[in-house]
Amino acid sequence: AQSVTQLGSHVSVSEGALVLLRCNYSSSVPPYLFWYVQYPNQGLQLLLKYTSAATLVKGINGFEAEFKKSETSFHLTKPSAHMSDAAEYFCAVRPPKAAGNKLTFGGGTRVLVKP
Amino acid sequence: DGGITQSPKYLFRKEGQNVTLSCEQNLNHDAMYWYRQDPGQGLRLIYYSQIVNDFQKGDIAEGYSVSREKKESFPLTVTSAQKNPTAFYLCASSTPGQEKNIQYFGAGTRLSVL
Repeated sequence: AQSVTQLGSHVSVSEGALVLLRCNYSSSVPPYLFWYVQYPNQGLQLLLKYTSAATLVKGINGFEAEFKKSETSFHLTKPSAHMSDAAEYFCAVRPPKAAGNKLTFGGGTRVLVKP
Repeated sequence: DGGITQSPKYLFRKEGQNVTLSCEQNLNHDAMYWYRQDPGQGLRLIYYSQIVNDFQKGDIAEGYSVSREKKESFPLTVTSAQKNPTAFYLCASSTPGQEKNIQYFGAGTRLSVL
C-alpha cells in the first residue's frame, strides 16, 4: 500500500529565509507526485506535480520540488519565504496505474512565516 | 468561471440526523471524489466516482453514502451511523488526459455536531 510521510507537522521560517518541506513516499514503482497548498478554511490548490518527466519541477508562487528516486523523496523548497506562504502544505502520491486516480495524502505541514 | 462548488460552507448536524453535502462541478470532469480532513491526518478518501451511475468506496466509507445521477453532481450524505462526523469535507474532480489526472478541489464544507 502507498504511504506518504511529511516530516514535521509545523515549520516556522523567517520572512526571506529558505522554505524546505520534506516528503517521503513508499512505492514499488515511481509514482506521480503532487504538492498542494491549503489556506485556512479553503480547498486545496495544486502547487506542482511530477509525472515522470524532469526530476526538478517548478510550480507556482516560486516553489519547486525535486524527485529523488534513490531517496524516495519529493521535497518542496522556496528560496525566500513570503508572508503569503503561511498555509498548510500537503504531499500526495498516486501510482501510475492507480484505479480511479486515487491519491494518498501525507499528514500535512503547517508553515508559519515570521516577519 | 469553471470550478467546483460545495455547499453549504458550514453545516450542523443533530444527533441521529442525516445530512447531505452538495458538490457541483462545471469542468466537464468525469471523476469526482469526497475526502474527509481531520487535523494532523491529511485527507482521507471516502468515496469516488469515475462515471455517472457508478461509485466506489474509499478508505473510510462507513457511515457515508453517495450518488452520481448526473456528471456535474456528486452529493455526500453523512448518515446517523457516522458517530464522529465533525470534520472538514472536501470534494474534488479530475479528468484523464494531458493533465495526468490532476484533482481540483472545492472550498470545502465544515460539518459540526450540535
